[in-house]
Amino acid sequence: QQKVQQSPESLTVSEGAMASLNCTFSDGTSNNFRWYRQHSAKGLEVLVSIFSDGEKEEGRFTAHLNRANLHVSLHIREPQPSDSAVYLCAERMDSNYQLIWGSGTKLIIKP
Amino acid sequence: GALVYQYPRRTICKSGTSMRMECQAVGFQATSVAWYRQSPQKTFELIALSTVNSAIKYEQNFTQEKFPISHPNLSFSSMTVLNAYLEDRGLYLCGAREGWDNYAEQFFGPGTRLTVL
Repeated sequence: QQKVQQSPESLTVSEGAMASLNCTFSDGTSNNFRWYRQHSAKGLEVLVSIFSDGEKEEGRFTAHLNRANLHVSLHIREPQPSDSAVYLCAERMDSNYQLIWGSGTKLIIKP
Repeated sequence: GALVYQYPRRTICKSGTSMRMECQAVGFQATSVAWYRQSPQKTFELIALSTVNSAIKYEQNFTQEKFPISHPNLSFSSMTVLNAYLEDRGLYLCGAREGWDNYAEQFFGPGTRLTVL
């Protein structure tokens, strides 16, 4: 069964410092990975979708995918307190479009 | 832009009763709608995937008898939690996708938070 392991469970970073989150997955055959942010009021917001090895940047959010290492990461440049939220990675299966979710990282940005 | 609304945002029901939640896609046609549950201390679990012109596919541990889903058109889906018990509490999310392209994005609503007393 496909699994996605996310780390760390929680992370506190000072405002302006780079924040880095990680996910490892169990099978590299899928070619869809996404990073979401979950605010209690706003629901899920997709940050970056990445489909091939390498880097994908969306504003201050950059995802790195290394399929050989079964690893995808998210880096947040110049984070602000408003970026405090739970961040989730998800792998989308080609066969049925199902999303396999990581357990989330609670990110706190200190002013 | 593409938006997904869910109603209600929060609901409380007594153990053994049922509650219905709705998902509305605005600005796009939802060819498929996935319902997820985020239980306390757990990540998201897929309950079922409903695709237009196909049968609704339920994941293991979830059944139509417990979570009947309706997807009558390309903008609306509803799911009922029948005979809700404590283990059914959590945040129920619907994710709606337009088109059949593997790269098509899935848009999520804010969720319906279910509390069972």
